Amino acid sequence: TQLLEQSPQFLSIQEGENLTVYCNSSSVFSSLQWYRQEPGEGPVLLVTVVTGGEVKKLKRLTFQFGDARKDSSLHITAAQTGDTGLYLCAGESNDYKLSFGAGTTVTVRA
Amino acid sequence: DSGVTQTPKHLITATGQRVTLRCSPRSGDLSVYWYQQSLDQGLQFLIQYYNGEERAKGNILERFSAQQFPDLHSELNLSSLELGDSALYFCASSFGHGTEAFFGQGTRLTVV
Repeated sequence: TQLLEQSPQFLSIQEGENLTVYCNSSSVFSSLQWYRQEPGEGPVLLVTVVTGGEVKKLKRLTFQFGDARKDSSLHITAAQTGDTGLYLCAGESNDYKLSFGAGTTVTVRA
Repeated sequence: DSGVTQTPKHLITATGQRVTLRCSPRSGDLSVYWYQQSLDQGLQFLIQYYNGEERAKGNILERFSAQQFPDLHSELNLSSLELGDSALYFCASSFGHGTEAFFGQGTRLTVV
């Protein structure tokens, strides 16, 4: 079982639409990170959130960390085909482990 | 380019064999993480080293072992290989705890 549950598992949308990916856990994390992975490549860090309730924006991407530091969301506005990829959340626990969710595969159609 | 180097990129070997995967972290990074990624299991944390010492352990089999050397490069040893060990193995590095991890491009292991 995954320590971090991501939903949905798959998401296919039209270019220009908005989407939200969720990352939930029953555990508290000292920090939470979001990565994007393309086929055959390693995950690439998008953002790290540390404070409960924190919101970070990266161009069209908005990341939110839950108040209790157990969950997070990633919202993409006006998706582009270049946003296609596997989105992974990862939480660092107090014992230094960085655990990943199973990921959400996002496909943006032209 | 993340600055993390993994070798080899691809490895094909037979069941029962032993292989060693190598990782060179980004310059200045003290932590090295190893992950296994397969289609049905996602990205699974195996083990973490910090400045030469084991810091955290995940779902690492007893047939697998790792170490981090004084120059901070790390090796993951996989022995008595089984078909189910076929996967992508990623190494990541970070400066310390709670800091961003940067991933290498992975080693694709195929056990036949």
